[in-house]
Amino acid sequence: QSALTQPSSVSGSPGRSITISCTGTSGDIGVHEFVSWYQVHPDKTPQLILYDVANRPSGVSYRFSGSKSGNTASLTISDLRAEDEADYYCNSYTTSSTWVFGGGTRLTVL
Amino acid sequence: QVYLRQSGPGLVKPSQTLSLTCAISGDSVSGNTGAWNWLRQSPSRGLEWLGKTYYTSFWSYDYAFFVKSRITVIPDTSKNQFSLQLKSATPDDTAVYFCARQIHGSSLFDSWGQGTLVTVSS
Repeated sequence: QSALTQPSSVSGSPGRSITISCTGTSGDIGVHEFVSWYQVHPDKTPQLILYDVANRPSGVSYRFSGSKSGNTASLTISDLRAEDEADYYCNSYTTSSTWVFGGGTRLTVL
Repeated sequence: QVYLRQSGPGLVKPSQTLSLTCAISGDSVSGNTGAWNWLRQSPSRGLEWLGKTYYTSFWSYDYAFFVKSRITVIPDTSKNQFSLQLKSATPDDTAVYFCARQIHGSSLFDSWGQGTLVTVSS
């Protein structure tokens, strides 16, 4: 099972919106709704920000939203803030009953 | 509230077995709430899922293809914990390792251990 494909980096200005894509296959993202997103700050435990494509855990800002179309999932962050600068990883269940992550996207807030 | 507490050595010699344990409180390793997972994070490889175990009417195990020949996840009902064993460790296995609970029927990994930095070096 290959890793999901994410852009290596994205950037945006404070107050603007950005979208990070995550492309998989019909063996993972394309086959069910078990897609999640994690925010990772340096030397910190990964923080779950979305699960089951678009559900936010308690305490996660409404500025984080998710969607899926075909084999591609997307994370959108609106009203960008300096504290959003981090690495973001997507994750999907697979038809092999395993989980697979994307390679990660570094978000820079300009 | 579920708490996961990791333990194990932070330094492993190359070719030896990397072993970590995750003690569970607030749930049962043999319960039907979710699956018990091991993951790792490193600057060079990012976040990686390694393997999981869960109990229905029998124990099930699933492993990532890239470690499948070297990994074993072992549940221990007597101590309510589960362990990771990764054989033939190499410096490429150097990472922060996490245990986590995943809720059945969702992609929600809702409880995580504190993380253990394991360095593979002679």
